[in-house]
Amino acid sequence: EIVMTQSPATLSVSPGERVTLSCRASQSISNNLAWYQQKPGQAPRLLMYAASTRAAGIPARFSGSGSGTEFTLTISSLQSEDFAVYYCQQYSNWPPWTFGQGTKVEIK
Amino acid sequence: QVQLQESGPGLVKPSETLSLTCTVSGGSISRYYWSWIRQPPGKGLEWIGYIYYSGGTNYNPSLKSRVTISLDTAKKQFSLRLSSVTAADTAVYYCAGGYYQPNWFDPWGQGTLVTISS
Repeated sequence: EIVMTQSPATLSVSPGERVTLSCRASQSISNNLAWYQQKPGQAPRLLMYAASTRAAGIPARFSGSGSGTEFTLTISSLQSEDFAVYYCQQYSNWPPWTFGQGTKVEIK
Repeated sequence: QVQLQESGPGLVKPSETLSLTCTVSGGSISRYYWSWIRQPPGKGLEWIGYIYYSGGTNYNPSLKSRVTISLDTAKKQFSLRLSSVTAADTAVYYCAGGYYQPNWFDPWGQGTLVTISS
């Protein structure tokens, strides 16, 4: 089973700041990575797949990069609606598909 | 677009079987991989398993001995059964879909909390 590790666990930022979230895989997963955003009391929402392809309707301020074992999700200018928990998920080696433990982006 | 809605009991006794149903609306059930994913309170996400519209299944090895996912195409529903539950199975259970591929999950249902307690 591939273990996904996200860092940091919590990120305190101010609106308008640039934010970079990290996700590391325990072995190479090529670019077989998705990112999700989850707000309190809501289901996760797909942001990105294939590491860098935005899902339908996702604003351009969200971008993804990386391949192999190291990946990043960048929010170029954090908006109030972006405060949430972000999860990465690998789909290279399955079953099972596995998720990271999440990074919480909170208001500074 | 396709929307999903979970339904089922919110409280299940230990050692019993958890049963949930996901109803698909706004689109076809075909060509989707339909998954169940759970999230214990305050914790991360765990993929449970999927069923393809043609009936093929795939389960998380850690849960495989206790999980059954089935599909009713006429009702546009798919279901989860998890047997011999314990308190560790307390979680929000989500249904989710993957169009033409099982790899990433979109859309998702809103989730339903199932508590395992006597």
